[in-house]
This record gives sequence, C-alpha cells and structure tokens, in this order.
Amino acid sequence: QVQLVESGGGVAQPGGSLRLSCAASGFTFSDYAIHWVRQAPGKGLDWVAVMSYDGTVKYYTDSVKGRFTVSRDNSKNTLYLQMNSLRVEDTAVYYCARDFYGLGIGYFDYWGQGALVTVS
Amino acid sequence: DIQMTQSPSTLSASVGDKVTITCRASQGISSWLAWYQQKPGQAPKLLMYKASTLESGVPSRFSGSGSGTEFTLTISSLQPDDFATYYCQQYNSYSHSFGQGTKLEIK
Repeated sequence: QVQLVESGGGVAQPGGSLRLSCAASGFTFSDYAIHWVRQAPGKGLDWVAVMSYDGTVKYYTDSVKGRFTVSRDNSKNTLYLQMNSLRVEDTAVYYCARDFYGLGIGYFDYWGQGALVTVS
Repeated sequence: DIQMTQSPSTLSASVGDKVTITCRASQGISSWLAWYQQKPGQAPKLLMYKASTLESGVPSRFSGSGSGTEFTLTISSLQPDDFATYYCQQYNSYSHSFGQGTKLEIK
C-alpha cells in the first residue's frame, strides 16, 4: 500500500537549520510529484512547496522562498526539505503529500503522518 | 495568488442532519477543487476532487458541486464519524492554496 513517512523533525533555534525527509513506498515514486504542507499548532493547512516527478519543476510559497529548498532522490524513493534561516513562525507539523499528477498541479491523494518542527 | 475562503468557520449539527460548507475562490479555478477531512492528530484525508468526484471509498453521503469561484461540500445525513475539520483546496495553480477550514461540531 502507498506509504509516505516523514522524519527529521525536531527543535531548532531561530536562524538554525533542519532537513526533513519523506520516504515513499508502495508506488513508483519517480512517477509522481510530491508536496510539503505544514500546519501550525491549532491552525489550518498551509502549502509550502512542490517538486515534480523528475525534479525539473519546483515551486515554493512566498514566505519560504530563499530559505527552504526541496529536492528528491528517486533512487532512494525520498523527498527532502532543507530548511535554513528558520523562524519562530515556521513551527508546525510538516506533511508530505503525493500529487495525483507527475508535474505537481493536481490534488493530494496520499499524505504522510507528519513531522513536528519547533523553532524556539 | 488565489485566496480560498470557507464558510462557516464552525458548524454545529446533530447526527442525521444535512450540512453544507461553502468555499469561494478569489478568481476562477474551473473545477480544480479538492475537499479534505482532518481529524485531531491525523493527516488530512482526500474526500473529493475535481469539485464533484468522490474519492474511492468515501461514503456517498458526501457530495460536491460548483465551478468557477463558488463551491459546496454537502453531507446528506451526518454520521458520528463525520465530526471533523474540512478544508477546500484549489489546484488551478502551483500555489495549491487551502481554505481556512470548517470545524464541524456535535450540537
């Protein structure tokens, strides 16, 4: 069955860095775009970034541009989110989610369980 | 960027009630709209895509409609398992923006 498992969350100081991983299984990872979506404590869903199936298309929400970098290793079935210059307002549960389409402009049919990032 | 606005923010209802949640887009998005259900401590779950297409395994009491800028999610007869928070999301553009959520509470 399709599984997405996030890891790498934890506590960082303002200005610090963390790298999240999203390990995929149960489907052909290299056929699908994957997104990062975050949810601050008690708040709604906030789209963060997307990378297309082959890594050629990347988009970010304005608030993380220049600070966050998405990448993928299709040989390892893993998507990454490098988060630099972290701010208190980046504190959230970070989910990875599979896009129904390869280029990353579809709906999200599978989600991971989330990884908590705390900036304090 | 496309802004998504849901109403109401909170909805109190009873088992068996019919409820409707509205989602409005700041510009036309054709039918590129999805609905998700989220329960506390869990990841969101896809309910509906392309505004009115039910995801496999989702009960038929859920239905969606709309196109352009105005959309609705209707639950025909609320069941205990339906009390959760619901989000709309546009996928007309790469920003994939979400509505702010509608919390469906037990009256």
